[in-house]
Amino acid sequence: QKEVEQNSGPLSVPEGAIASLNCTYSDRVSQSFFWYRQYSGKSPELIMSIYSNGDKEDGRFTAQLNKASQYVSLLIRDSQPSDSATYLCAVTRSAGGTSYGKLTFGQGTILTVHP
Amino acid sequence: GAVVSQHPSRVICKSGTSVKIECRSLDFQATTMFWYRQFPKQSLMLMATSNEGSKATYEQGVEKDKFLINHASLTLSTLTVTSAHPEDSSFYICSAATKTNYGYTFGSGTRLTVV
Repeated sequence: QKEVEQNSGPLSVPEGAIASLNCTYSDRVSQSFFWYRQYSGKSPELIMSIYSNGDKEDGRFTAQLNKASQYVSLLIRDSQPSDSATYLCAVTRSAGGTSYGKLTFGQGTILTVHP
Repeated sequence: GAVVSQHPSRVICKSGTSVKIECRSLDFQATTMFWYRQFPKQSLMLMATSNEGSKATYEQGVEKDKFLINHASLTLSTLTVTSAHPEDSSFYICSAATKTNYGYTFGSGTRLTVV
């Protein structure tokens, strides 16, 4: 079993639709969860971080975390062609402060938003 | 916001030579730097973690004598690929942990091609 697993994709949605990206993790001690977007040939850029169970919204993005189910998701509302990229889920045992553990990445989900 | 400057962005070298990649945190002190490698259509794989003034901790399967990491100051970490071979061709990305606002800031990446 992979440590961090994402829905395989690729995922294709029409412009204006909701894109749903899912991620499960195996390490029950994980405390911090991140969603990154990566365009081809570029380094990842942070979209959302979430640390507590429940939903966290930022503009068109909503991250959802369920630690009991070891599941984290990202919803993108009103998807735009510019959202087309690879989305990476990353988890770490670190909880911030002075401790900075390694990030473990999922394999990524390719999202295509077509006009 | 936190910025990590990574250089060079692209480098082509001959087989058997060494290449140095630099990552500088421009506006914060990076107590911990992570080095990743990404092959085409794959996710980021952690190579090593370095803390300022300490020896780097390498992930299993990563040759420490081949991938030399130096983190001599809180603002500079370097990765030297020694005796590079074509199979070392990859996208190398650094990531610094920030204290002021918990998170991981990524450099822009270095595309290494060994011919």
